[in-house]
Amino acid sequence: AQSVTQPDIHITVSEGASLELRCNYSYGATPYLFWYVQSPGQGLQLLLKYFSGDTLVQGIKGFEAEFKRSQSSFNLRKPSVHWSDAAEYFCAVYAPWGGYNKLIFGAGTRLAVHP
Amino acid sequence: DAGVTQSPTHLIKTRGQQVTLRCSPISGHKSVSWYQQVLGQGPQFIFQYYEKEERGRGNFPDRFSARQFPNYSSELNVNALLLGDSALYLCASSSDSSGNTIYFGEGSWLTVV
Repeated sequence: AQSVTQPDIHITVSEGASLELRCNYSYGATPYLFWYVQSPGQGLQLLLKYFSGDTLVQGIKGFEAEFKRSQSSFNLRKPSVHWSDAAEYFCAVYAPWGGYNKLIFGAGTRLAVHP
Repeated sequence: DAGVTQSPTHLIKTRGQQVTLRCSPISGHKSVSWYQQVLGQGPQFIFQYYEKEERGRGNFPDRFSARQFPNYSSELNVNALLLGDSALYLCASSSDSSGNTIYFGEGSWLTVV
């Protein structure tokens, strides 16, 4: 069955430091992959997506992610974190399931940023 | 253009009551999906509708139902509310059902007491 694993529940970084959030997926073919961010009490905002082509994708707010088929991973990165990046981050795979398509989310990684 | 809009934003219901949540997709989008996000977890798929037809249903009891209207807006209904139904209910909109970019609304916070 399709699944998404985000191994890190909480991550704390200092402002200005680099960031990498891990995401591993389980799916038989190349899926559509997404990263969403959720600020407290808010809905989900799309950061970036991978459908095909270049395995390094750029998103909003200075984020990027790299699709690695051999590792079934889609890790999110940012070279310099800002205090406003503190939020919860969700990796998701969009894949066919039982004749329809649905987003399968990981459990999320909560990011705290120290000044 | 407006994004995905949901109403109400917050509501409190009593166990056993019924609730209706509403969603308007992005203009031109024909697919609407509903997700439930329990505190501390990732969103879980409930329904997908495309062109007014149910395309998929997640692992939720029959107390959960939905429909999509000719203008592509959608309603999610939950009957016989349980405490465990307390969650953020998210509506997602996309232009088709094939996995194109999916946008979420701000959600409806449901508290069951």
